[in-house]
Amino acid sequence: NAGVTQTPKFQVLKTGQSMTLQCAQDMNHNSMYWYRQDPGMGLRLIYYSASEGTTDKGEVPNGYNVSRLNKREFSLRLESAAPSQTSVYFCASRTRGAPVGEGYTFGSGTRLTVV
Amino acid sequence: GENVEQHPSTLSVQEGDSAVIKCTYSDSASNYFPWYKQELGKRPQLIIDIRSNVGEKKDQRIAVTLNKTAKHFSLHITETQPEDSAVYFCAASLGGATNKLIFGTGTLLAVQP
Repeated sequence: NAGVTQTPKFQVLKTGQSMTLQCAQDMNHNSMYWYRQDPGMGLRLIYYSASEGTTDKGEVPNGYNVSRLNKREFSLRLESAAPSQTSVYFCASRTRGAPVGEGYTFGSGTRLTVV
Repeated sequence: GENVEQHPSTLSVQEGDSAVIKCTYSDSASNYFPWYKQELGKRPQLIIDIRSNVGEKKDQRIAVTLNKTAKHFSLHITETQPEDSAVYFCAASLGGATNKLIFGTGTLLAVQP
């Protein structure tokens, strides 16, 4: 049981290039999330998907798109990467109505550098 | 939307002392408040959480208190050890179908041996 799997773990892009960050969970969770983490700013929500077939913007959606391909997979796409998108990206998932103590499960992160 | 403020941004304590990290939230409808610990280069890990119908929760050396009226909650770590050194994040959630978590900006805790 792998939990939440993110690929790739590291990536360097040139300004203007595009790429897709992949996330998959094997826990049959309904909700999935993409966060970015920058020094001194905590984790900020980019997009989320409350259930298969739905996606919504979070706090910082500009420059990103997402696809909830099926219940397991939730991808994040950068169409034209900018240096301001240099960050560590975390995917997470959670079961709807999960009892207290069953918070998010995070992936191991993707460290993205845009030069 | 919800906003979570966290203080202090850095905290240095001597081994064996207590550490307290404080957070305030803006949306009075928030009902779930977890705390995460993140070690360098690792993913955030849930260490304790509390729901809005509870004022305090304790798990060994870690405790969380919640003041709904003032809209603030705190993490208390007693008898700190070097392995407690990490970044700690508070978060708040309105619950419901989306279960969005809004995070504070983090506290870097350094426990000096």
